[in-house]
Amino acid sequence: QKEVEQDPGPLSVPEGAIVSLNCTYSNSAFQYFMWYRQYSRKGPELLMYTYSSGNKEDGRFTAQVDKSSKYISLFIRDSQPSDSATYLCALSVIQGAQKLVFGQGTRLTINP
Amino acid sequence: NAGVTQTPKFQVLKTGQSMTLQCAQDMNHEYMSWYRQDPGMGLRLIHYSVGAGITDQGEVPNGYNVSRSTTEDFPLRLLSAAPSQTSVYFCASRVDRTDTQYFGPGTRLTVL
Repeated sequence: QKEVEQDPGPLSVPEGAIVSLNCTYSNSAFQYFMWYRQYSRKGPELLMYTYSSGNKEDGRFTAQVDKSSKYISLFIRDSQPSDSATYLCALSVIQGAQKLVFGQGTRLTINP
Repeated sequence: NAGVTQTPKFQVLKTGQSMTLQCAQDMNHEYMSWYRQDPGMGLRLIHYSVGAGITDQGEVPNGYNVSRSTTEDFPLRLLSAAPSQTSVYFCASRVDRTDTQYFGPGTRLTVL
């Protein structure tokens, strides 16, 4: 069993839709949760970072963590074609750890 | 600042050949890492360094060597390439443990 499971998609939605991207994990020691966005043929870039259960908002993006269920989500409101990318969740046990465990990534396409 | 640069962008090797993937950053970052990204596997840490002269193994170090003689450069060496090393390789850097990681654009390697 992988430590982190992420639906690889692909996911295709119309512009303006609310998008929900999810990861589940098995190791309760994970305490730090990140979402990366990766455009085609580019390196990943950090989108959201959180370490507590609950919601964290940043503009149109909301990261949600449920440690009791070992489930994390990224919501994108008012999705735009420029949001089309692969989204990867990443988890770590220690703050700032070099070893991040990444999900497989979900490829998202927003259709105009 | 150029950020994190990687060369070459693409490379095709034959089994048994050796090569070095170059990574450089001009942000005076102490921490540097190498990841590989494979379909369905997410990113996996190969080796990392927390400063010049200091390196350590990540999750999948076998078949790869690294050294860090300067703060700016962190080359990844494949001594005897194998088809299993066909992947996209990303270099990343950050100031310290509290900083976000900045990824380079990647090197696409195919081993025949």
